[in-house]
Amino acid sequence: QKEVEQDPGPLSVPEGAIVSLNCTYSNSAFQYFMWYRQYSRKGPELLMYTYSSGNKEDGRFTAQVDKSSKYISLFIRDSQPSDSATYLCAMNDAGNNRKLIWGLGTSLGVNP
Amino acid sequence: DAGITQSPRYKITETGRQVTLMCHQTWSHSYMFWYRQDLGHGLRLIYYSAAADITDKGEVPDGYVVSRSKTENFPLTLESATRSQTSVYFCASLTGGVVNGYTFGSGTRLTVV
Repeated sequence: QKEVEQDPGPLSVPEGAIVSLNCTYSNSAFQYFMWYRQYSRKGPELLMYTYSSGNKEDGRFTAQVDKSSKYISLFIRDSQPSDSATYLCAMNDAGNNRKLIWGLGTSLGVNP
Repeated sequence: DAGITQSPRYKITETGRQVTLMCHQTWSHSYMFWYRQDLGHGLRLIYYSAAADITDKGEVPDGYVVSRSKTENFPLTLESATRSQTSVYFCASLTGGVVNGYTFGSGTRLTVV
């Protein structure tokens, strides 16, 4: 079993929909929880991060961490076609604060 | 331009040949990473480096060699390419902690025939 599980999708939604992307993990020592966005034929880029449990909001994006359930989510409100990308969750390796453990990524398509 | 540059963008090589993928950063980020990205496997760490002349294995290092004689360069060499090494390779750098975010290059798409 992988340390970080993420459904690869694909997920297809109409423009304006609320999107929920999720990851589960098994290592309770993870402290930083990140979401990266990857457009086609590009490298991933950091979207937002959360430290420990709680919510964090940035514009149309909300990151949520539930450490008791080992479950993290990314919500996208009023989704736009420009949000079409692969979203990867990532968590810090407890033994090395510079190394990340990655989910497989979820492919999202937002249809106009 | 500032950033991470990977070269070449696309490469086709034959089984058994040696191939070197280049990665150059214009900052002085201490950490650099090499990943491969494959459908069904996601991003897998090949090697990483904490500073010049300090490198360490990642999850899938077999068949690869790295060096880092200068802070800004981190080349990845496939000693004898195999078809299973057909993949998209990404180089990344990091300054400070993970919350600063990895900066990725645009990737090298390698095909081994």
